[in-house]
Amino acid sequence: GNSVTQMEGPVTLSEEAFLTINCTYTATGYPSLFWYVQYPGEGLQLLLKATKADDKGSNKGFEATYRKETTSFHLEKGSVQVSDSAVYFCALSEGTGNQFYFGTGTSLTVIP
Amino acid sequence: DAGVTQSPTHLIKTRGQHVTLRCSPISGHKSVSWYQQVLGQGPQFIFQYYEKEERGRGNFPDRFSARQFPNYSSELNVNALLLGDSALYLCASSGPNTGQGRNSPLHFGNGTRLTVT
Repeated sequence: GNSVTQMEGPVTLSEEAFLTINCTYTATGYPSLFWYVQYPGEGLQLLLKATKADDKGSNKGFEATYRKETTSFHLEKGSVQVSDSAVYFCALSEGTGNQFYFGTGTSLTVIP
Repeated sequence: DAGVTQSPTHLIKTRGQHVTLRCSPISGHKSVSWYQQVLGQGPQFIFQYYEKEERGRGNFPDRFSARQFPNYSSELNVNALLLGDSALYLCASSGPNTGQGRNSPLHFGNGTRLTVT
């Protein structure tokens, strides 16, 4: 079946530190991969996506590369800001429909 | 353009009652999906509707039902509420404007926070 496993949190970093949030997946076919971000009291917002192996998604300084050989889609940012504090979800979509499978989320707090 | 809108934002119900949650998709999006997010967990898929037909159903009991209207808005109904139904219910729409939007990103509303007492 399809599933997503992501790094347990919470993660606390100082401003300008380097961020990595690990995400691995299991899929029966060829999934598309996504990172979503959720700010307190809000719904999920798409951060970036990749639709095939070796694609790199990027947005707002965040990057993630679709690695088929390691079934991974790790999220990285070179220099985090306080405004990046949120919960980050890795997700996949696979199959004929548009059902998404989400990880459990990783809470990030950036301190000044 | 407006994003996905959901109503109400908060709701408190008693065990055994029934609840209806509403969702309006982004203009031009024909696919609407519902997800349940329990505190501290990722969203879990409940339903997907496309062109008013159910196209997918997650592992939820028959107490959960949904429908999509000709204007592509949607309702999620939950009967005989249990304490465990307390969660954030998220609606998402997806494009492109034609087709079922396979693997298209989901665009989420801010959710309805349901508390069952």
